[in-house]
This record gives sequence, C-alpha cells and structure tokens, in this order.
Amino acid sequence: SQKIEQNSEALNIQEGKTATLTCNYTNYSPAYLQWYRQDPGRGPVFLLLIRENEKEKRKERLKVTFDTTLKQSLFHITASQPADSATYLCALLMGGYNKLIFGAGTRLAVHP
Amino acid sequence: EAGVTQFPSHSVIEKGQTVTLRCDPISGHDNLYWYRRVMGKEIKFLLHFVKESKQDESGMPNNRFLAERTGGTYSTLKVQPAELEDSGVYFCASSQVAVESTEAFFGQGTRLTVV
Repeated sequence: SQKIEQNSEALNIQEGKTATLTCNYTNYSPAYLQWYRQDPGRGPVFLLLIRENEKEKRKERLKVTFDTTLKQSLFHITASQPADSATYLCALLMGGYNKLIFGAGTRLAVHP
Repeated sequence: EAGVTQFPSHSVIEKGQTVTLRCDPISGHDNLYWYRRVMGKEIKFLLHFVKESKQDESGMPNNRFLAERTGGTYSTLKVQPAELEDSGVYFCASSQVAVESTEAFFGQGTRLTVV
C-alpha cells in the first residue's frame, strides 16, 4: 500500500530564511498531491495542490515541487515568519480515488 | 460563509458506551468525508459520502462504526460500543466537487477519549 514519509523531527529556522519540507512516497505516483497546514487544536487547512504532470506550483511565499522520478515533493516557504509556525501535512490522491492519504506531518518552528 | 462545523469538540466516554459525532458541511458541498487521527499516527480516511450515498467506506475500522447522512446535509458518525482504541481526533471535511481537483475544507475535529 502507499506510504508517505515526512520528516518526523521538528524543523527550526530563523525568521526570514526559507523553510524546505520534504514528502517522500513509495510505490506508484499519485495523480495529485496536496499540502495542508495544521495548527494545534484545529483541522487541516488546504494550501496548495499539484498534479502529476506539473513540476512546480507557486502561491505567494509558497512553492511546491513534484518529482515523480524521485517520488518526492518539496514544500518551500520563503521569507518565513513566526506566524508560519505550524505542522505541515502532505497528502496524496491516487487516480480514480477520492480519499486523501496523509503523511504524519512535519512541525515547523520559525524563530524571531 | 460558515465553515465545516463539528460537534462536540470534546467527548469523554466510558468503554462500552455509545457516542455520536456530528458534522455540518459547508452549504452546497455534496462531498463529505470522515477522517481520524489516533495517537501518534497520521490522519486516516474513514469514509466518503456523495450527497446521502456512501461512495467509499473502505476506511471504516469495523462494524462498531456507523455513518449516516440522511437528506444529504449533515452527517453523524456513531461508535457503539466504544473501545479504548477508538480514542483520537475525528475530522470531517467537505468539498464542492471531487477532492482530487480541489481542496477539502476540514472542521476543527472532535477529540474522543474512551476511558
């Protein structure tokens, strides 16, 4: 079955730097890959969606890349701010299915 | 516009009791999903409704779990009888079209503790 790996350890970075989070998956490539943000006590909030035939997607300070050869997606936050501190979840959608397969998430802490 | 609403936000029940969780999706969203996160694990899919029909219930753990969506509006998830391993956070999400092409909107979750 499909398995998703995200860095389990927290990522600590300085304000203003670029945060890069990794999402690796096993087996066959998903049709879609989504990134969500989750704050403590809240539900996930959608950030970006990238399709298997897209290499890169941008939205304001966010950038997502999708490499089906490496079976990996990278999520970048440029000019990071303390308000970006949260857990970031990678989620896959296999073709023909309508359910998200989540990774465990990576906790990001941006320090002033 | 109101987001996805879940009730209650917290529930503590004893093993063997029954609990019913409720989800009100965003108005007009035909697709409704239930997910849960048990302690230390990733969020996992439970089931998917399209209007009042169960499209996919492959993630339901066993027959102690029953989900309904009468009338295609709000949904309930009943656990009867609850077991200790059912503890976790239950999320509901909705989307206007298939989630593969768009975002899913999540509720804040119901934290269920079975003691």
